[in-house]
Amino acid sequence: GQNIDQPTEMTATEGAIVQINCTYQTSGFNGLFWYQQHAGEAPTFLSYNVLDGLEEKGRFSSFLSRSKGYSYLLLKELQMKDSASYLCAITGFQKLVFGTGTRLLVSP
Amino acid sequence: DTEVTQTPKHLVMGMTNKKSLKCEQHMGHRAMYWYKQKAKKPPELMFVYSYEKLSINESVPSRFSPECPNSSLLNLHLHALQPEDSALYLCASSQVQTSGGNNEQFFGPGTRLTVL
Repeated sequence: GQNIDQPTEMTATEGAIVQINCTYQTSGFNGLFWYQQHAGEAPTFLSYNVLDGLEEKGRFSSFLSRSKGYSYLLLKELQMKDSASYLCAITGFQKLVFGTGTRLLVSP
Repeated sequence: DTEVTQTPKHLVMGMTNKKSLKCEQHMGHRAMYWYKQKAKKPPELMFVYSYEKLSINESVPSRFSPECPNSSLLNLHLHALQPEDSALYLCASSQVQTSGGNNEQFFGPGTRLTVL
């Protein structure tokens, strides 16, 4: 089976840096995705990690440690539009299984 | 074209109705998916089609019936639904998964379904 945990909610201030953690236990692992989802909209792709280490993409970075079953998404220079849910998802055995999701609220 | 389209955007139906949700993509993806998402919850996988064949059914009740008529289209036929089936239904597509490969799933905007 799979168990993927994230904090339920986080708050941060515009311009700040926030780290959203994801811990997982899974029997099948090909890679880990991070998706962003605004309320009432479809999830959109942010990053993909298959090897250990840091992937940087503009203001967003994602880290993976396969041995520790741990990933994080780092958001820098936060903007109001970053208020959304952030979903980590494990891919394996043809499936994408989502974590519990983290709602991020960015305030002025 | 990196878009997945879904119709209708909203659907209200009674428990005795039969309706269908439609999904289309033209990215050449050979894997397509149906997810159900309740408010403030993550998407939950329902079905996976790979090369137009059903490869995964996550123990979904038979009142939901998927169909993949060709490599670009995915339908979800609905019959005798219950009020608790009200949710956002998301379609997604991707390359067929390979070990270590980035099979990013592209999501459609969803159909918001209300069952009365």
